Amino acid sequence: ILNVEQSPQSLHVQEGDSTNFTCSFPSSNFYALHWYRWETAKSPEALFVMTLNGDEKKKGRISATLNTKEGYSYLYIKGSQPEDSATYLCAYYNTDKLIFGTGTRLQVFP
Amino acid sequence: DGGITQSPKYLFRKEGQNVTLSCEQNLNHDAMYWYRQDPGQGLRLIYYSQIVNDFQKGDIAEGYSVSREKKESFPLTVTSAQKNPTAFYLCASSISWTAPDTQYFGPGTRLTVL
Repeated sequence: ILNVEQSPQSLHVQEGDSTNFTCSFPSSNFYALHWYRWETAKSPEALFVMTLNGDEKKKGRISATLNTKEGYSYLYIKGSQPEDSATYLCAYYNTDKLIFGTGTRLQVFP
Repeated sequence: DGGITQSPKYLFRKEGQNVTLSCEQNLNHDAMYWYRQDPGQGLRLIYYSQIVNDFQKGDIAEGYSVSREKKESFPLTVTSAQKNPTAFYLCASSISWTAPDTQYFGPGTRLTVL
């Protein structure tokens, strides 16, 4: 059974704080790692698709890194804002489908 | 507007009844997917379709059925054989089924079986 683990499960930060969370996945037969952001009452929305070891991607204040040899990816949010409050999902692509982690729920307080 | 629509948003059914959840996309995507979310669990794949007239079982296909007669449509039927059907169901699509392709999600249907 292939497992994708995310930590922490939830996080509460103050506006302006920077934060990061982890996604761990099997390091063998790697194809791609996806990050999604899921706001309450909305659809999950793609943030990044990462395919190469050492990849770093950035979208505004959010960035992600990828280490396929050790099987982890970090998502960083610089200067968190209340609108960053959401559940952040990572998903590991295995052969022909995505396997999702349970997500990290981030709440940013003003 | 391009996107994925799911209907209805909320659905209530009596135990023992089959129910069909709708998923339509106008993104011209080849691949479509059905996921189920339960509290404390990640999205789990029920069925997926890489191309029209073709579909494969995902990790939790028992008690579900699908069809893919049109590129735009991928309805999911929750049958009475599904032991615990109450859940949140998400439909998604992607340009193709290959690894780097982003999946685009619908708004979801919350099914409650009474």
